[in-house]
Amino acid sequence: NAGVTQTPKFRVLKTGQSMTLLCAQDMNHEYMYWYRQDPGMGLRLIHYSVGEGTTAKGEVPDGYNVSRLKKQNFLLGLESAAPSQTSVYFCASRRPPRTDTQYFGPGTRLTVL
Amino acid sequence: DAKTTQPNSMESNEEEPVHLPCNHSTISGTDYIHWYRQLPSQGPEYVIHGLTSNVNNRMASLAIAEDRKSSTLILHRATLRDAAVYYCILVLWSGGGADGLTFGKGTHLIIQP
Repeated sequence: NAGVTQTPKFRVLKTGQSMTLLCAQDMNHEYMYWYRQDPGMGLRLIHYSVGEGTTAKGEVPDGYNVSRLKKQNFLLGLESAAPSQTSVYFCASRRPPRTDTQYFGPGTRLTVL
Repeated sequence: DAKTTQPNSMESNEEEPVHLPCNHSTISGTDYIHWYRQLPSQGPEYVIHGLTSNVNNRMASLAIAEDRKSSTLILHRATLRDAAVYYCILVLWSGGGADGLTFGKGTHLIIQP
């Protein structure tokens, strides 16, 4: 099993550009998550999904959109990137119940100039 | 939500035990205590979790105070590969629920050779 994979690993954008981050998991997990981590901080939840075709907002959703067209994939989109979105983005997945382990991807380091 | 308090950083020597404390004085009866760690430039990974009783696994032990207001993650024989940020996270058990994890800043563990 590859677990949770993220594409790309690194990206540099100019302000106003758009991009999509891809997360894929091969564990047949129902729930998937996108977090961001700023320097010296813990992770903060951006959006999450409880299943194919469903998404919900987390703690810091502004400026991001998500889609989950297939159970194994969760996409995070930035329509018009801003320097404040410079961060490391982590995807995660898990099964219910709530106390089950979350499995994290290796992260995508995004810099917005 | 119940909060956790951890020291910002701790230092230990290689091959010695490490005790990482976590205070959670407002914990509720249905909060599980989870520990994750984040190695440099990687996503977080699950370490251990418990509710009331002490727990052991191949990575670590978790000692939970009788009143559950604090807990201690124990690494029995630290190696250089254990240098990471360790997060103590409360996870409310309520059957279902897709909430993400709430990360604090964690404890930065430094291992000296």
